[in-house]
Amino acid sequence: SYELTQPLSVSVALGQTARITCGGDNIRDYSVHWYQQRPGQAPTLVLYRDVNRPSGIPDRFSGSNSGNTATLTITRAQAGDEAAYYCQVWDSTAAWVFGGGTELTVL
Amino acid sequence: QVHLVQSEAEVRRPGASVQLSCKTSGYTFINYHVLWLRQAPGQGPEWMGLINAGNTKTKYSQKFQGRVTIVRDTSANRVYMELSRLTYEDTAVYYCVPTRDILSGFFEDWGQGTLVIVSS
Repeated sequence: SYELTQPLSVSVALGQTARITCGGDNIRDYSVHWYQQRPGQAPTLVLYRDVNRPSGIPDRFSGSNSGNTATLTITRAQAGDEAAYYCQVWDSTAAWVFGGGTELTVL
Repeated sequence: QVHLVQSEAEVRRPGASVQLSCKTSGYTFINYHVLWLRQAPGQGPEWMGLINAGNTKTKYSQKFQGRVTIVRDTSANRVYMELSRLTYEDTAVYYCVPTRDILSGFFEDWGQGTLVIVSS
């Protein structure tokens, strides 16, 4: 089955840039989607198909996907960005696969 | 505007079954698939199964095959998920997730989640 690997935690200073990675074998061949989840809430889609933002998601959120790593980049980090972030792909064998999640802390 | 209301939290003994419901509104029920995902404490979401609300066809993750059943009630715009032979590892928040296009691969709308606790 296909597996996605994320760092457990990432810290970023207020106003700086956070980068959250998602590792997978030849992940460049997949469309990667990203979700934000605040405590006690359901996940919210923040990026789809590597680089696209749903309506209402600020352009501070961007993505890239190359080689074996996809990256969610959050510029000008705000306190409200503190949350868990999950990457996700659809795999023909494993269906919908999620990473284990990364806790973002804004210092 | 898709609106989802899931049933309340449940506590079950090991070996028991649990049935969760998902009340949907704001879209044409039979035009969507509804997926069920779960999220154990500290882990990422996990896909369990789905139903085509139009033709009732279901597909289940191999991990849950034989233990999960998903059905729908078009008169009530509801989807139900039953999980049997519960173990402590089934303690999780369970989400219903409708999608018009399962080929898109991503999920825009999630229910609020239902906590299931398996405890003796």
